[in-house]
Amino acid sequence: DTGVSQNPRHKITKRGQNVTFRCDPISEHNRLYWYRQTLGQGPEFLTYFQNEAQLEKSRLLSDRFSAERPKGSFSTLEIQRTEQGDSAMYLCASRTLKTSPGWEQFFGPGTRLTVL
Amino acid sequence: GDSVTQMEGPVTLSEEAFLTINCTYTATGYPSLFWYVQYPGEGLQLLLKATKADDKGSNKGFEATYRKETTSFHLEKGSVQVSDSAVYFCALIGNTGKLIFGQGTTLQVKP
Repeated sequence: DTGVSQNPRHKITKRGQNVTFRCDPISEHNRLYWYRQTLGQGPEFLTYFQNEAQLEKSRLLSDRFSAERPKGSFSTLEIQRTEQGDSAMYLCASRTLKTSPGWEQFFGPGTRLTVL
Repeated sequence: GDSVTQMEGPVTLSEEAFLTINCTYTATGYPSLFWYVQYPGEGLQLLLKATKADDKGSNKGFEATYRKETTSFHLEKGSVQVSDSAVYFCALIGNTGKLIFGQGTTLQVKP
């Protein structure tokens, strides 16, 4: 069990560019969540998947954001036409539905995005 | 909607002092409650949790009791160490299964 991994750890981009982040959850974890954390705030929910199905999207997730989990394993989060307001830490978490304590979400180290 | 409110930081304490970080919540139904910790340069880690009223979560000397009547889940530790310096987040999971976090409280412990 290698934990949740995220790549890249840091991304600096210019306004208007597209970026893509990757999250590899803990093996066999059914649910995968994306959160965004801005400086001095707690993480805010963006979206989540159960296996390959995207079941909920926050209103924070504008049309410029898209997330996929094509084979129910890793997930990608893409931001198109980045804006300075997108600068944040993007966190991925996963959990299993199979065992107790089922509620625990395990977090990755995050991808810090800076939009210049 | 569901929400979590934490006391504002930063909280600065001397080593071996008593710690309390207040957390209150608003939720429909009976959420599960959590404290997460984020050490400098690291990801979020679950510190403790409680899933029903009057449950006490504990870990590494930290404790928090799920108080339904006051909708609170205050974090306490009897004697803090320099290594406890971190950002602490109170959170809940409601019916939707997603975590809702407070804004975080920075704790700085001085030797």
